[in-house]
Amino acid sequence: SYVLTQPPSVSVAPGKTARITCGGNNIGSKSVHWYQQKPGQAPVLVIYYDSDRPSGIPERFSGSNSGNTATLTISRVEAGDEADYYCQVWDSSSDHRVFGTGTKVTVL
Amino acid sequence: EVQLVESGGGLVKPGGSLRLSCAASGFTFSSYSMNWVRQAPGKGLEWVSSISSSSSYIYYADSVKGRFTISRDNAKNSLYLQMNSLRAEDTAVYYCAREVQGSFFDYWGQGTLVTVSS
Repeated sequence: SYVLTQPPSVSVAPGKTARITCGGNNIGSKSVHWYQQKPGQAPVLVIYYDSDRPSGIPERFSGSNSGNTATLTISRVEAGDEADYYCQVWDSSSDHRVFGTGTKVTVL
Repeated sequence: EVQLVESGGGLVKPGGSLRLSCAASGFTFSSYSMNWVRQAPGKGLEWVSSISSSSSYIYYADSVKGRFTISRDNAKNSLYLQMNSLRAEDTAVYYCAREVQGSFFDYWGQGTLVTVSS
């Protein structure tokens, strides 16, 4: 089965840039989606199709995908961005939906 | 406004059964594939099952295949998950989620907690 690997944690100072990676075999050939989840809440879609933002998501959130790594970038980080972030793809070989292991973003 | 409301969670003994429901409103339910995603306490998200708009295509994670059954009733705007032979490792918050273009989940419910314990 397809595996997506994320760093367990990322720490960033307010106003700086956070980059969260999502590694998978030839992930650049797949569409990657990203979710933000705050404690006690349901996940929220923040990036879809590698780099598109749903309405209501700040422009500070952006995404890229190439080779074996997809990246979610949060610019000008704010305290409210502190959350868990998950990448997700559709594995066409199995028709399974796959989530990454998750990354906890801490704002210092 | 799109709303997804799960129900049916609770405490069940190992080997027992439970049926979860997800009531959808605010969109044309019959036009979308729907999914169940779960999250064990303190753990990450795990995709459980997917059902296409007309129930023609159904998929399960290996961890639940043969024990769980996903279904839907488009006339009632409802999604279901029948869970049998439950194990301690099935303990989790179960979310229903709307799927877009066979790819991503744009709306999620608030989840319902299933606890499997003796």
